[in-house]
Amino acid sequence: DAGVTQSPTHLIKTRGQHVTLRCSPISGHKSVSWYQQVLGQGPQFIFQYYEKEERGRGNFPDRFSARQFPNYSSELNVNALLLGDSALYLCASSNSRGSYEQYFGPGTRLTVT
Amino acid sequence: QKEVEQNSGPLSVPEGAIASLNCTYSDRVSQSFFWYRQYSGKSPELIMSIYSNGDKEDGRFTAQLNKASQYVSLLIRDSQPSDSATYLCAVGTNFGNEKLTFGTGTRLTIIP
Repeated sequence: DAGVTQSPTHLIKTRGQHVTLRCSPISGHKSVSWYQQVLGQGPQFIFQYYEKEERGRGNFPDRFSARQFPNYSSELNVNALLLGDSALYLCASSNSRGSYEQYFGPGTRLTVT
Repeated sequence: QKEVEQNSGPLSVPEGAIASLNCTYSDRVSQSFFWYRQYSGKSPELIMSIYSNGDKEDGRFTAQLNKASQYVSLLIRDSQPSDSATYLCAVGTNFGNEKLTFGTGTRLTIIP
């Protein structure tokens, strides 16, 4: 079975621009979570969606938003990019059926210049 | 106090020896505990999950959980050079969402 997929792999944006990152979960998984990982740190939780509803939000500004589609894929949007938004953005999926194991995709490396 | 604490390392272990990685957490209501392995430039890979006090073994890996002491560890037996990576400890509360709180990771180097 295919794992979690994310696109694009790499992205370079300029301060003030907007970016959309995409994620497709493992087949059969209905929950998607987004994390931000800066160099030398562990991933930081941004959002979790289950059955198209937001189930959790981390301590990120309103410039960050997300949504989940009927096929359980998800988008993460970041507006008014700052240099500090440069990071690896990770999507994780889980089946939410008594197991809380989350499986990460390869990530999107975002560089803001 | 950080929510999830790990020694950042680097931790150097001879090939064939046992590598011991430790993690403490602050939230007593935490219910689920995970170890992820992350190679440089790659995304985290789930290697162990544990939910109950005690030991859980999977191949060369053993996870240990002590909720009273708020402590979780990972043992890697017969360490191989391919085990050289950063190991991330993650903790979840499972209260309506599946937010994971990660430590900063321990960098492990296996010396041939």
